[in-house]
Amino acid sequence: EVQLVESGGGLVQPGGSLKLSCAASRFTLSSYWMTWVRQAPGKGLEWVANIKQDGSERYYVDSVEGRFTISRDNAKNSLYLLMNSLRAEDTAVYYCARRTYDSDSYFLDYWGQGTLVTVSS
Amino acid sequence: DIQMTQSPSSLSASVGDRVTITCRASQSIGTYLNWYQHKPGKAPKVLIYAASTLLSGVPSRFSGSGSGTDFTLTISSLQPEDFATYYCQQSDSPPQTFGQGTKVEIK
Repeated sequence: EVQLVESGGGLVQPGGSLKLSCAASRFTLSSYWMTWVRQAPGKGLEWVANIKQDGSERYYVDSVEGRFTISRDNAKNSLYLLMNSLRAEDTAVYYCARRTYDSDSYFLDYWGQGTLVTVSS
Repeated sequence: DIQMTQSPSSLSASVGDRVTITCRASQSIGTYLNWYQHKPGKAPKVLIYAASTLLSGVPSRFSGSGSGTDFTLTISSLQPEDFATYYCQQSDSPPQTFGQGTKVEIK
């Protein structure tokens, strides 16, 4: 079955940087849009960013625009999220998810288990 | 950005009850609406996409309806394993926002 495994989370100071990775297996990464979603403690799901199959289109939620960069390496079956200028409000579990197209609609059909990012001094 | 508003924020219901969750978009999104179930410590799971299409393997007690700005998720007969938080998500345009969630508790 499709597998997505996030890594790279941890404790970082405000203003610091962190790079998350998502290892994809058992499907052809280059055929799918991919997405990052986060959940802050006690809060709901928040869509963060997504990236087209070839990396030619990328979209971000306003709160991370200019600070976060989504990227991918299809040859390495990997998705990334580079997070700069981190703030306390970026503290969350970060999930990577595969975006699938069916019935003229997109949805997130497979998700990883998430990696925790804590921004604190 | 399109805002998604769910109601109620939480509910408590008994096994066997019919449960309805609503989701409203701040502008028309056609049927570009998905529903997810999320349990603590687990990955979210898609239940319904394109407003009313049930993902293969999802129990038929789940159903979705609506178009434009108003959508509904219905659980026809609530089961103990349905304790979870449910989210709607619009896939019309980026950022593909989620609703704030509806926590379903079993009485």
